[in-house]
Amino acid sequence: GQQVMQIPQYQHVQEGEDFTTYCNSSTTLSNIQWYKQRPGGHPVFLIQLVKSGEVKKQKRLTFQFGEAKKNSSLHITATQTTDVGTYFCAGNYGGSQGNLIFGKGTKLSVKP
Amino acid sequence: DGGITQSPKYLFRKEGQNVTLSCEQNLNHDAMYWYRQDPGQGLRLIYYSQIVNDFQKGDIAEGYSVSREKKESFPLTVTSAQKNPTAFYLCASSGRSHQPQHFGDGTRLSIL
Repeated sequence: GQQVMQIPQYQHVQEGEDFTTYCNSSTTLSNIQWYKQRPGGHPVFLIQLVKSGEVKKQKRLTFQFGEAKKNSSLHITATQTTDVGTYFCAGNYGGSQGNLIFGKGTKLSVKP
Repeated sequence: DGGITQSPKYLFRKEGQNVTLSCEQNLNHDAMYWYRQDPGQGLRLIYYSQIVNDFQKGDIAEGYSVSREKKESFPLTVTSAQKNPTAFYLCASSGRSHQPQHFGDGTRLSIL
């Protein structure tokens, strides 16, 4: 079946360092979504990327969608302790399939 | 305020018992989903529904059942056939399938 691979599984950074998580699909995606789950909380939608090569920014967060629409990345510049949590990508393959395929997530910890 | 309400927040199940987790949304969303999350793991899809009176199995439907009699409600029953039910259960909804999902606060289910 379709799978979205996400790496790394864990990332520990010092506050102020950058952080990147990557997602990869073996087949072309219709679009990709990114979610953040704080410890003890529920996933919260961050952004959706639809177009090939698309780049979107939200303050210190930069999201990219690959030219082939098979991979995506989330980059955080100068991490803060408020960035702690697990970041999930979720791939949408379109068609009649009604569900997203979630990656396993990258758990980010930030040392002050 | 619009949103998704899951109840109860914590639930304990005895051996051989069926338990039902509630999920209600007032967002007027067509699609609803149930996910299971185990510690350090991603989101695994149990069931989803794209429209009232219709639902599809996800990746781990065995031992679970759902109904979608009303647009606002998508209850999940964890049956006695589910031998390892201890997990965090998340309900989500979206305007239509493939659109960004809104999550409830989750229900933590444990075995007595």
